[in-house]
Amino acid sequence: EPEVTQTPSHQVTQMGQEVILRCVPISNHLYFYWYRQILGQKVEFLVSFYNNEISEKSEIFDDQFSVERPDGSNFTLKIRSTKLEDSAMYFCASTGQLGLGSYNEQFFGPGTRLTVL
Amino acid sequence: AQSVTQLDSHVSVSEGTPVLLRCNYSSSYSPSLFWYVQHPNKGLQLLLKYTSAATLVKGINGFEAEFKKSETSFHLTKPSAHMSDAAEYFCVVSDRNFNKFYFGSGTKLNVKP
Repeated sequence: EPEVTQTPSHQVTQMGQEVILRCVPISNHLYFYWYRQILGQKVEFLVSFYNNEISEKSEIFDDQFSVERPDGSNFTLKIRSTKLEDSAMYFCASTGQLGLGSYNEQFFGPGTRLTVL
Repeated sequence: AQSVTQLDSHVSVSEGTPVLLRCNYSSSYSPSLFWYVQHPNKGLQLLLKYTSAATLVKGINGFEAEFKKSETSFHLTKPSAHMSDAAEYFCVVSDRNFNKFYFGSGTKLNVKP
């Protein structure tokens, strides 16, 4: 069964460093998302991406964050200068066709746990 | 804006007894609603979804949920809990264009032997 994969499973970094979290969505999907879950808190939407541009982003997704799909398969989340409060589990998700009567289930990856020291 | 409220942060049931996890939503239009389950140290798995078809939705592992517009609710139920159901459950609503998904705060289900 196709699945979303994420690498690395765990990333430890120093405050102020750049990190890139990688995701490989399901191959025929068109819409991609990043979420984060701070330990003990709920899952928060960060950004959605379609047709090589951001569709929607939350207030969390400030200038320190960026996303791209560099090669048609990977979908990356970059944090330019990490802060302690960026420590969280980051989930990637993808879905195929959206809209009424269409397939809109999001498939989630297993997550990357980011620890900022 | 859309939102969901999960009324219970923790629910504890005995194995073999019914499960009820409550979710109320707020939406300015007919919503699409989802329940996801997260087992410890695992990713999120879709249990079931409501997308304006039948109001009683059946999902995996014996779970089902009923969309009640008059009560703005989408409660998750299971007739008989199993130990393997112990996990955290999230109710989710999407925006109109499915560009943004809003998660509830989660309900941790504990199943006692």
